[in-house]
Amino acid sequence: DAKTTQPTSMDCAEGRAANLPCNHSTISGNEYVYWYRQIHSQGPQYIIHGLKNNETNEMASLIITEDRKSSTLILPHATLRDTAVYYCIVGLNDYKLSFGAGTTVTVRA
Amino acid sequence: GAVVSQHPSRVICKSGTSVKIECRSLDFQATTMFWYRQFPKKSLMLMATSNEGSKATYEQGVEKDKFLINHASLTLSTLTVTSAHPEDSSFYICSASGVIGQPQHFGDGTRLSIL
Repeated sequence: DAKTTQPTSMDCAEGRAANLPCNHSTISGNEYVYWYRQIHSQGPQYIIHGLKNNETNEMASLIITEDRKSSTLILPHATLRDTAVYYCIVGLNDYKLSFGAGTTVTVRA
Repeated sequence: GAVVSQHPSRVICKSGTSVKIECRSLDFQATTMFWYRQFPKKSLMLMATSNEGSKATYEQGVEKDKFLINHASLTLSTLTVTSAHPEDSSFYICSASGVIGQPQHFGDGTRLSIL
């Protein structure tokens, strides 16, 4: 599976959009981009995934660049409860997820 | 939505004892379940993959005789940490998948502390 690169940490203001970048320059044509998050002392939570097209659900939007070498997870209106570690994972499917260090997102009031 | 239940959430026991952790899929049949371990301030590390009715597949460096996995039904997998020692203290997390391609669902983890 392709590796991903994410910033170590980010601060976001409550009520504002949070844009989380992820680089995956070695992604292959049939690999998906998955996003999970882990709130402190809990198991990871699935957020969204996509292949080529942008995706949106009730939690977030996923914007994938045309060359698929990077993507951005957008939390439209960050709340304090969105404070978590966010993981960007690339793979053929999510059968065996390989978690990196992720981005520690802190939402501040 | 789909829920995965993990029990117990926390366990403290003496060195040398064995500890069993249960992972249940509550509203779907999980053909595959995964077990992860997470040390403080570290990311999740996959320990093993279990498929219902067959032997688990362990990741490199994970002792299969130390971490016994049983996936006897489509809704239950168990991880037994045998003869646990302080270095086995960690956060153990399971996940379940019903259909390949659909997102995994994670339990809330078990914090194991060995004294």
